[in-house]
Amino acid sequence: GNSVTQMEGPVTLSEEAFLTINCTYTATGYPSLFWYVQYPGEGLQLLLKATKADDKGSNKGFEATYRKETTSFHLEKGSVQVSDSAVYFCALSGLRSNDYKLSFGAGTTVTVRA
Amino acid sequence: KAGVTQTPRYLIKTRGQQVTLSCSPISGHRSVSWYQQTPGQGLQFLFEYFSETQRNKGNFPGRFSGRQFSNSRSEMNVSTLELGDSALYLCASSRVTGEAFFGQGTRLTVV
Repeated sequence: GNSVTQMEGPVTLSEEAFLTINCTYTATGYPSLFWYVQYPGEGLQLLLKATKADDKGSNKGFEATYRKETTSFHLEKGSVQVSDSAVYFCALSGLRSNDYKLSFGAGTTVTVRA
Repeated sequence: KAGVTQTPRYLIKTRGQQVTLSCSPISGHRSVSWYQQTPGQGLQFLFEYFSETQRNKGNFPGRFSGRQFSNSRSEMNVSTLELGDSALYLCASSRVTGEAFFGQGTRLTVV
C-alpha cells in the first residue's frame, strides 16, 4: 500500500535560517504529492502540491520537487520566520486513479525562534 | 468563498454514548473525506464519500460510519464510544483536481 515517511523532528531554528524537511514515499502507480501545514488549534492547510515527476510545487517561499527516481518530495524554505512555526505533513494520493484518499507522514514540528 | 465547515468544534461525551459530527464542504465539491488525528497514530483515513456513495474506507471498526446527503454535506457517526476515540476529527472536501481542503476539525473527548 501507499505510505509516507518524513523526519519527525522536532526541528528548532532561528529566524532567517534554512529549513528542510525530508519526505520519502512508497506508492503504486503515479501518486500526487502534497505538503500540508497545521497551526495550533486548526485544521490542515494545503501548502503546495506536485502531480507528476519533476514538478516543483511552491508557495509562500516553500518549495518541493517531485523526484520519482528517489521517491522523495523534500520541503525547503530559504529563510524562515517565526510565523512558520507549525506542524508540517507530507502526504500522497492516487489522484490519477480517482483515489482521493490521502496517506500522511507522521508530521514534523517546526519551531522558529526570534 | 466559504471554506469547509465542521460542527461542533468541541464535544465531550461519556463512554458508551454515540456521537454525530457534521461537515459542510466547499460549494461545488462532491467528495468529502474524514480523518482521525491522534498524538499516537497521527492522521488516519476513515472514509470518503462521493455523490452520496462511500467510495473508499479506512481500517476502522464498524462503530464508525458516515453518510453524505444530496447537497454534499456529510455526517459521521461513532457508536458505543471508547476512551480511545478521543481525537480531532477532520473533514476534507475535494474537487475534481483532487486537492483536499480541510475544516478546522471537531475535538472529541470521551470521558
